[in-house]
Amino acid sequence: AQTVTQSQPEMSVQEAETVTLSCTYDTSESDYYLFWYKQPPSRQMILVIRQEAYKQQNATENRFSVNFQKAAKSFSLKISDSQLGDAAMYFCAYYSTSYGKLTFGQGTILTVHP
Amino acid sequence: DSGVTQTPKHLITATGQRVTLRCSPRSGDLSVYWYQQSLDQGLQFLIQYYNGEERAKGNILERFSAQQFPDLHSELNLSSLELGDSALYFCASSPRTGGLNTEAFFGQGTRLTVV
Repeated sequence: AQTVTQSQPEMSVQEAETVTLSCTYDTSESDYYLFWYKQPPSRQMILVIRQEAYKQQNATENRFSVNFQKAAKSFSLKISDSQLGDAAMYFCAYYSTSYGKLTFGQGTILTVHP
Repeated sequence: DSGVTQTPKHLITATGQRVTLRCSPRSGDLSVYWYQQSLDQGLQFLIQYYNGEERAKGNILERFSAQQFPDLHSELNLSSLELGDSALYFCASSPRTGGLNTEAFFGQGTRLTVV
């Protein structure tokens, strides 16, 4: 079974600085997708960024980028120029194309200090 | 607005009771997922349906059941409720089970409180 591990329960960053959230996963599949979701206090789940496993190029979305290391099964999220609105719980997620199942890590609470 | 609608938004019920949570996926989405999020916890995958058929099953209790109807909306039934079932229940939908458009859109969730 696939597992997703986020080893940082909490992280903090100063406004305008850069922070990196870690995620590792375990799988025997070669074709899958990885996601980072943001959950603000409203509890809404918001997709931040997506990475296809077959793509070597790291995904980027404005201030958000990932470092995808397929061999190491690592998928970290970098947030540049952090803003107060970035404060939220961040979840890493793995999508199995074989089983059609989206598995989440335990989440990392990000605090942004002004 | 993700396009996924969950009702009700809040639900308070007593132990031993049965409740039904409803989810309407985005127009055209065939896959529906149910997740449970307890207080300050991650999301636990419960079950997935694809075009009316059960596609994947997670840590879903026997007291819980779900189904997806021909119009693609889905219901999650929780019975013999216990205090520990209090949680936020999310529904998500996606266009298909795999492929380039794989992405799950989440509803606002139903907050269930068992007293």
